[in-house]
Amino acid sequence: NAGVTQTPKFQVLKTGQSMTLQCAQDMNHEYMSWYRQDPGMGLRLIHYSVGAGITDQGEVPNGYNVSRSTTEDFPLRLLSAAPSQTSVYFCASSYFLSYGYTFGSGTRLTVV
Amino acid sequence: GENVEQHPSTLSVQEGDSAVIKCTYSDSASNYFPWYKQELGKGPQLIIDIRSNVGEKKDQRIAVTLNKTAKHFSLHITETQPEDSAVYFCAASILGGGGADGLTFGKGTHLIIQP
Repeated sequence: NAGVTQTPKFQVLKTGQSMTLQCAQDMNHEYMSWYRQDPGMGLRLIHYSVGAGITDQGEVPNGYNVSRSTTEDFPLRLLSAAPSQTSVYFCASSYFLSYGYTFGSGTRLTVV
Repeated sequence: GENVEQHPSTLSVQEGDSAVIKCTYSDSASNYFPWYKQELGKGPQLIIDIRSNVGEKKDQRIAVTLNKTAKHFSLHITETQPEDSAVYFCAASILGGGGADGLTFGKGTHLIIQP
């Protein structure tokens, strides 16, 4: 099993550009979420989904958009990148809410 | 919402010694407390968790203790080894509570094992 796969691993964007961070899991998990990790800030929840077709906002949703058309995929879209979105982004999945998260290996994003 | 405080932010111990990382939480309804280990360049990995109906759980060299009255829980690593060097995160949530915002994480502890 591949677990949770995130692509790309690294990305540099110019301010104002848009892009999509991909996340896919092959464990048939219902719950998926996106976190950002910044120095000294820990992991902060951006958006989450409790199943296909259902998404909701987390702690820091502004500037990000998500959709969940299938159980396997949960892409994160940056609508107009800003330097404040420079961070490491992690996708996670689990069978149900909060319990036993499997994290991807992360995407390091730099916005210049 | 829930707030999780984690201390210390950095912990340096001699190889073979024990390490203790402490967390406090604010929501008395929280009933699930996992710990994650993050090695450099990787995503966090679940290493141990505890539910509020037990006070302690052990898995080889690691253990977690929970004090519901004081609303704090701790990670204990004995006989530390170089491969224990990593960032450790505590977290809290309400399993089955209907809230949909998942885990609340502490800010992390960078554990350094000195040879």
